[in-house]
Amino acid sequence: DVKVTQSSRYLVKRTGEKVFLECVQDMDHENMFWYRQDPGLGLRLIYFSYDVKMKEKGDIPEGYSVSREKKERFSLILESASTNQTSMYLCASIERNYGYTFGSGTRLTVV
Amino acid sequence: GESVGLHLPTLSVQEGDNSIINCAYSNSASDYFIWYKQESGKGPQFIIDIRSNMDKRQGQRVTVLLNKTVKHLSLQIAATQPGDSAVYFCAENLYGGATNKLIFGTGTLLAVQP
Repeated sequence: DVKVTQSSRYLVKRTGEKVFLECVQDMDHENMFWYRQDPGLGLRLIYFSYDVKMKEKGDIPEGYSVSREKKERFSLILESASTNQTSMYLCASIERNYGYTFGSGTRLTVV
Repeated sequence: GESVGLHLPTLSVQEGDNSIINCAYSNSASDYFIWYKQESGKGPQFIIDIRSNMDKRQGQRVTVLLNKTVKHLSLQIAATQPGDSAVYFCAENLYGGATNKLIFGTGTLLAVQP
């Protein structure tokens, strides 16, 4: 089974901090994704990557950046965390023409 | 912390009954559809998928039906159990080729009463 591992389940950060959320998958998938999930808004795509060093903006990229230096790792970066970035963050990877495999999520609270 | 289940449509069923969860998708060109289950505090888990050249697919205790005419997807769960309580999302694959991006519905909360 594909495993998508997010390094932290819960994080609490202060406003203005730089925050790194890490995601690693073990199945050599090319495509990786970062979503945030909020009550009433569902899953919203932040960024995705279809290859090493490649990235594309999703629907809500503002305030975020990403890094994909190695195929198995896709990092989400909050350059200066704000309280409206308090959310559940979900990483996923995909094999072409199949569904996503999600990580277990990181619940980030910005205070 | 807040549950993803807040603000969602809720389906309440008795243990042992069959459940039907519905989803309307947005794009007639979508060619691949998936149902996910998300339990509280966890990431979504793949349940079952269906391609647009099919109208029905069965798994273990679950069946997905696809009606392309009205852009409707449903998930049927037989003999619903307490462990089935979760939020269920449908997703459609809007793009083919190198980058597969899924568009998710907002979800339905299934509450199984013992």
